[in-house]
Parts: sequence; C-alpha cells; structure tokens
Amino acid sequence: GQNIDQPTEMTATEGAIVQINCTYQTSGFNGLFWYQQHAGEAPTFLSYNVLDGLEEKGRFSSFLSRSKGYSYLLLKELQMKDSASYLCAAHSGGYQKVTFGIGTKLQVIP
Amino acid sequence: DAGVIQSPRHEVTEMGQEVTLRCKPISGHDYLFWYRQTMMRGLELLIYFNNNVPIDDSGMPEDRFSAKMPNASFSTLKIQPSEPRDSAVYFCASSPPGVSNQPQHFGDGTRLSIL
Repeated sequence: GQNIDQPTEMTATEGAIVQINCTYQTSGFNGLFWYQQHAGEAPTFLSYNVLDGLEEKGRFSSFLSRSKGYSYLLLKELQMKDSASYLCAAHSGGYQKVTFGIGTKLQVIP
Repeated sequence: DAGVIQSPRHEVTEMGQEVTLRCKPISGHDYLFWYRQTMMRGLELLIYFNNNVPIDDSGMPEDRFSAKMPNASFSTLKIQPSEPRDSAVYFCASSPPGVSNQPQHFGDGTRLSIL
C-alpha cells in the first residue's frame, strides 16, 4: 500500500527559513511532488523530484532521497503569503496516479 | 487559457438526494482525476480517467458513487443517495499526456454539504 507522512502543523517567523519533511512508503515509486494550497483554494504545483538531491526554484527548494524514502520542502525568506498547507504527493506505478499526504499547515507569524 | 472548470462551486442538499458534480478539464489534457478532501483524511483520489477510460476506481467509497467521462471535455461525479458523511470539498484535476512528471491542474472545487 501507500503511506505518506508529514507533520500536520508548523509555525515559522517572517523572514526565516522553514523545512517541511515528508516520508513515504510506496511500491513502484517514480517521483515526489509538492503542492501548495491556500485556505479555501485549490492545490497548485510547486515542484517534482525524480532524482536524488536538491532542486532550487527561487525561494523554494525541494530535496529527495529515494533510498531513505524522504523528501523535504525548504522555504527561505518567509513571507506572510506563504501561510498555506503544503502537500507532499508520491507518484508511483504507471500512468499519473499520485498519493497525497495529509498536508502540513504552515503559519507564518510576524 | 481557461483552467479546470468545476460546477457548482457550492452545493447544499438534504440527505437522500442525488448530487451531480461537473468538471471540464483543460483542453489537450488526457488525464482527469476526481478527489475528495476532508480535514480528517486529506486529499483522497476517488477515480481517474485516461483518454475518457476509467483506469482506477479503487478509491470510490461505495456503490453510491459513480463517475463518467462521456467525452474529452466533460466528466461527472454522482452521489446517489447522498449522506451527511459525504460532506467534503470535491476537486477535479487534469494533466497533460505523459507517464511521469506531469503536474495536475486543479479546479476550484465543489464544497458539498449534506444536511
């Protein structure tokens, strides 16, 4: 079966750096997505990692270790607008089926 | 470009009634997904289609739920009869052709309340 674990809530200060962790156990793993979801809105795509290592995209970076079944999303220079839920999702098997974690609700405080 | 379009945005109905949710995927996308999101269970995949054919419906909770995709530009998710525990936000998403790293584009969701 599929199992995705991530913390349910985190709080960080504006301007700081925060790391949101995700562990996964899936069969036929292909890659790992991160999505951002503001309250009352739809999830939007942030990143996709298929190879081990860190991929940077502006203030956001995502890391993957396939051997450890582990990923994290790193947010730098936090802004108030970064307050949202961050969903980790594992892509496995054929086609484009992904399994989502419960999401980490991040609150950025002044 | 138009994104994924879902209707209605909100639906409030009494238990036992039939509910039909609608989705128009992005033109050119050949994958369509139906999800349900609740606080307790997060985002759960109900069913997905590829080229209008259902590929995996193992997430459909029970026979009260059914989904169709009669053509490339339209899909429905039907609940009959509805129950209070079906209250949730239902998202439709679509993605382009390919087998790996195609991100899914989500509609704004339908907020369903069953009284």
